[in-house]
Amino acid sequence: DAGVIQSPRHEVTEMGQEVTLRCKPISGHNSLFWYRQTMMRGLELLIYFNNNVPIDDSGMPEDRFSAKMPNASFSTLKIQPSEPRDSAVYFCASSFEGGGETQYFGPGTRLLVL
Amino acid sequence: SQQGEEDPQALSIQEGENATMNCSYKTSINNLQWYRQNSGRGLVHLILIRSNEREKHSGRLRVTLDTSKKSSSLLITASRAADTASYFCATDLGGSYIPTFGRGTSLIVHP
Repeated sequence: DAGVIQSPRHEVTEMGQEVTLRCKPISGHNSLFWYRQTMMRGLELLIYFNNNVPIDDSGMPEDRFSAKMPNASFSTLKIQPSEPRDSAVYFCASSFEGGGETQYFGPGTRLLVL
Repeated sequence: SQQGEEDPQALSIQEGENATMNCSYKTSINNLQWYRQNSGRGLVHLILIRSNEREKHSGRLRVTLDTSKKSSSLLITASRAADTASYFCATDLGGSYIPTFGRGTSLIVHP
């Protein structure tokens, strides 16, 4: 298996632009997580899907952030409009059953908003 | 607030020495996990220990869990320069299976 795939790996955009991050989880995994990592706040859970359904989105910073999982093999995290404070590394992770089990992380998307 | 907190924040040792990192948490858990993150990479799972277990081994890694003290430790024996990374503990919020990561311990192993 190729592992969790994220795209793009790097994104540089200007403030106010829409940013879409993509994730393909490991086949057969039914849980998917989006995290944001910064030096100031560490690793934060943004949203957790189970069987394509959002279970906990309490970590989503504000309405500018939205996430979808239209099927078991694809998820997106969208920021609209983007702001400089959104600059961070965004990770997607998947697991076989929930966050209590081993999570497999993607390589991350490094986002810089100018 | 973060459930798991690692200690120390940074650790610098010589190759061949042992490295010990600790994790403390606040509420009951179902299990605790340790992850490693190399610079510029995603996190990699190391060990999962369940609340009814006290110790687990994996190669040069040894993890202990003391639920009475709400703490865990990760021991890396005979460290190597390749062990240089950040190490995170992740706990679930007792029954929720939503993982919460600490800030991590930055380990540097000098060759």
